[in-house]
Amino acid sequence: QVHLQESGPGLVKPSETLSLTCSVSGGSISSFYWNWIRQSPGKGLEWIGNIYFTGTTNYNPSFKSRVTISVDTSKNEFSLRLNSVTAADTALYYCARTYSGSSFSSFQHWGQGTQVIVSS
Amino acid sequence: EIVLTQSPDFQSVAPQETVTITCRASQSIGRSLHWYQQKPGQSPKLLVKYTSQSLSGVPSRFNGSGSGTDFTLTINSLEAEDAATYYCHQSSSLPLTFGGGTKVEIK
Repeated sequence: QVHLQESGPGLVKPSETLSLTCSVSGGSISSFYWNWIRQSPGKGLEWIGNIYFTGTTNYNPSFKSRVTISVDTSKNEFSLRLNSVTAADTALYYCARTYSGSSFSSFQHWGQGTQVIVSS
Repeated sequence: EIVLTQSPDFQSVAPQETVTITCRASQSIGRSLHWYQQKPGQSPKLLVKYTSQSLSGVPSRFNGSGSGTDFTLTINSLEAEDAATYYCHQSSSLPLTFGGGTKVEIK
């Protein structure tokens, strides 16, 4: 059974960079699309972007100028960097895997989520 | 960006009754619509993919239908464990988007 686990700082200062990692176990990262999704009371569920194991990325235009998603196949993990954060980036951040090997797919597996608060 | 509008926002339903949740897309998405269930403190769980495709381990009382811009999730014979918030999600085009959610309460 595929298991995803997010990790990273729970508190980030405004204007700094949010960095999270998703560790994948129970399966290889070398297939499927690997996604970052966040959830906040104000904006609900928001898709941030995804990456294929080859390094191909897709980003939500709402984040495009600030976001970078990368993959490390040797560690079976992928990461999110979100620059210049503000209080609006306070949210529960999830990593998730698509059901199929397409970016245009449902999300079959989710991590438990990690809360990130942006505050000085 | 495709906007998904769910209705109602909240529904209080007695056990054994039927729940109907709708999701309307701002443009046609074919059948690229998926449904999730999220219970408090948990991650969303995929219930139905591509409008009506069932998934292993999901009770048969959860059924999806629709196409184009109008979609429905029906929960037959509601059980206490179905108390949750339900979200639709489209994968027809990027950016992938979600509906605002429908909270189902058990009377």
